[in-house]
Amino acid sequence: AQSVAQPEDQVNVAEGNPLTVKCTYSVSGNPYLFWYVQYPNRGLQFLLKYITGDNLVKGSYGFEAEFNKSQTSFHLKKPSALVSDSALYFCAVRPPRNRDDKIIFGKGTRLHILP
Amino acid sequence: NAGVTQTPKFRILKIGQSMTLQCAQDMNHNYMYWYRQDPGMGLKLIYYSVGAGITDKGEVPNGYNVSRSTTEDFPLRLELAAPSQTSVYFCASSRGPGTEAFFGQGTRLTVV
Repeated sequence: AQSVAQPEDQVNVAEGNPLTVKCTYSVSGNPYLFWYVQYPNRGLQFLLKYITGDNLVKGSYGFEAEFNKSQTSFHLKKPSALVSDSALYFCAVRPPRNRDDKIIFGKGTRLHILP
Repeated sequence: NAGVTQTPKFRILKIGQSMTLQCAQDMNHNYMYWYRQDPGMGLKLIYYSVGAGITDKGEVPNGYNVSRSTTEDFPLRLELAAPSQTSVYFCASSRGPGTEAFFGQGTRLTVV
């Protein structure tokens, strides 16, 4: 079955430190991969995506993610965390050659940036 | 820039009542989706549509119905509300494969 795993329910990082939010997927072929962020009482906002090409993709608010095909991972990273980065982060995958374009989401990881 | 608009924002239903959650997008997107978000469970796909007149079931379709008569609108119908349908519902749209989805602000539904 196709799935997305975010192994950490919560990640705590001190402000100014680098952060990583982990995501692994189980999909055959080369999927499209996404990261979204959700602030309290809001809908999800798109951060970045990987379709093809360079394994390191850059997105909004200084975030980046690295696609690793051999490890089937797409971890979200930021060199220096801000308190305002505290939010709920979702990894998502769209399986390849999926005519129905179902987007599968992970359970989410809550990121706490400590001042 | 309206994007994806959901109404209402909040609603309390009694068991057995019916209601329709409205979703409209003004970006001319072909693909539209309904998700529910339960605490610690991420987003579960209820129904989706790849174009006007075409709908299909997602992971958790039971107790819901949808229609897609126009490109802009994708309403979600609850026929007989149950406490298990207490959740936050999100509508989203996208241009198509490989493109990011745009989400509405959500509808918080409580069934009592």
